Amino acid sequence: GAGVSQSPSNKVTEKGKDVELRCDPISGHTALYWYRQSLGQGLEFLIYFQGNSAPDKSGLPSDRFSAERTGGSVSTLTIQRTQQEDSAVYLCASSLEGGLSNQPQHFGDGTRLSIL
Amino acid sequence: GDSVTQMEGPVTLSEEAFLTINCTYTATGYPSLFWYVQYPGEGLQLLLKATKADDKGSNKGFEATYRKETTSFHLEKGSVQVSDSAVYFCALSDRNTGNQFYFGTGTSLTVIP
Repeated sequence: GAGVSQSPSNKVTEKGKDVELRCDPISGHTALYWYRQSLGQGLEFLIYFQGNSAPDKSGLPSDRFSAERTGGSVSTLTIQRTQQEDSAVYLCASSLEGGLSNQPQHFGDGTRLSIL
Repeated sequence: GDSVTQMEGPVTLSEEAFLTINCTYTATGYPSLFWYVQYPGEGLQLLLKATKADDKGSNKGFEATYRKETTSFHLEKGSVQVSDSAVYFCALSDRNTGNQFYFGTGTSLTVIP
């Protein structure tokens, strides 16, 4: 597609359930980032993938959060045993080449996650 | 470590007023600087960028100049419109920190007719 695609756009689930959020980056983009944006807050970095290198997981808030990127393209962010504080908009971004700091990130529209 | 500090909002301006949103940064190397805009209900979009000192990024009437001496990248627009109402994020990317992006907390702008 032309831009970064995220699905679902909205997800409502009960506390304790697992959720999977999907990100389809722009074709050819080697770098992929996940962020969390809570209501009225800035962006909280979660995880960064660059090509086939080991991901930078330094932003994951707990071991309930994990992410993978298969084939260097699509990424899935998984939250296990969801808690109410996990409610937020989860944003994915991709960039052409993570090794060059002048490449901007292109964002998807996000997945709005609500934990009941 | 690297960080970005931007002016807290919310900011409310009348149409055609002059806009400044301050942004300062801390970085270990020579970062690239960005402004992103998030319109209501939408994702973040790149507004403009500057990749080295004294560069000026510009787009849609917005401008920001990369000032290394003051470590700043203030966003300006001479005459705002109602359609500029959005949240604006300043960000940096630093090769010295693995091209991690650092975002400010965002500044909400509302332009009233």
